[in-house]
This record gives sequence, structure tokens and C-alpha cells, in this order.
Amino acid sequence: AQSVSQHNHHVILSEAASLELGCNYSYGGTVNLFWYVQYPGQHLQLLLKYFSGDPLVKGIKGFEAEFIKSKFSFNLRKPSVQWSDTAEYFCAVNGGGSYIPTFGRGTSLIVHP
Amino acid sequence: EAGVAQSPRYKIIEKRQSVAFWCNPISGHATLYWYQQILGQGPKLLIQFQNNGVVDDSQLPKDRFSAERLKGVDSTLKIQPAKLEDSAVYLCASSPRGGQAYNEQFFGPGTRLTVL
Repeated sequence: AQSVSQHNHHVILSEAASLELGCNYSYGGTVNLFWYVQYPGQHLQLLLKYFSGDPLVKGIKGFEAEFIKSKFSFNLRKPSVQWSDTAEYFCAVNGGGSYIPTFGRGTSLIVHP
Repeated sequence: EAGVAQSPRYKIIEKRQSVAFWCNPISGHATLYWYQQILGQGPKLLIQFQNNGVVDDSQLPKDRFSAERLKGVDSTLKIQPAKLEDSAVYLCASSPRGGQAYNEQFFGPGTRLTVL
């Protein structure tokens, strides 16, 4: 069965620090990869997605993610975080002709001003 | 455009009672999803509809959970009878097209269910 691992469950950073959140998946075939974000009191919303092409994907609010097929990874990065980036971040994967996404358990990011 | 609407936002019931949640997707979205999100975990898909047909319900506990999308628009998820472990946030999401694995999903605010 397909699984998604987010290794960092809680991350605390100061403003301007760099961010990298890990995401690894178990499925070896063709995959589609997503990062969703949930700001406090708001809905889950798409941050960025990868389904083909350039493995370095740029999303909203300065976030980017790199798909490394050999490592089954899709890590999320931001060079300089802001207090407003405080949120829950979820990695999700589908593949093999299945439209059913599997979500990771999420990473809670707190950014101190 | 209006987002995905869900009601109620919060519900508290006792175990063995019944409960129903309602979802209205974004207008024109063919695909509708119901997820269960237990505290500290990521969303888990319960059922996926495309128009009014079920695409996948393999993770729906069918002895107590049921869902319908009769006219291919809004949907209802029911739990009867509820158990303590059903306490969770129930999320509804929709996508503009069916059959596209890279579709973005648009999520509603969720219904937080507490079973006592």
C-alpha cells in the first residue's frame, strides 16, 4: 500500500530562517505530488504540485519543492520564513492511475517573530 | 467563486447516536471527496464521487458510514451509530474534472465531530 512519511512533526523557527520539510513516499511508479497548507482557522489549500516536467516546482508565497525520483522524496523549501508561514503542512501523493491521494500526517510549523 | 460549503461546523453527540454532514461543492466541480482527519493525522479518504457515481469507497466503514450524492451536486455523509473513535474532523473537497490524477482539490472548512 502506498504511504507518505513526513518526518518532522513539529518545527519551530525564527523569522528569516530557512525551511525544509521532508516528504517521502513508498510508491515506485509514476506519481503526482502535492503540498497543501492549512493556516490557523482556515481551509486546507494547495501550495504547489508536481505531475511532470521540471522537478523543481515553485508555488505560492515563495515556497518550492524538488522531486527527487531516486530518493522517493518531495521536500518543501523556503529560503526565509515569515511569521505568517505558521501553519500545518501536508504532503500528498497519488499514482499508478489511481486518483486517490494519500496524505502524510502533517508538519506543524511555528515561526517566531 | 464561492468555495466548498459544509455544515454543521461543529457537532457533539453521544455514542450510538446518528449524525449527518452536508457538503456543497464548488459549482461545476464533477468530483467530490469526503475525508476523515483524526487529530494528529493527515486526512484519510472515505469516499470519492464523480458526478453522482461512486469512484472509490474502499476505506469507508460501510457497517456504519454511508454517503450519497443523488443529483451529482451536494452530498451527505451519515454515521449510524457513532462510536467514540469517530471523533474527527470530516472534510469535504471537490475537483473541477474527473479522471485527472493531478487535479487540485479544493477543501471546505470541515465539520468537527465529538462523540462522547
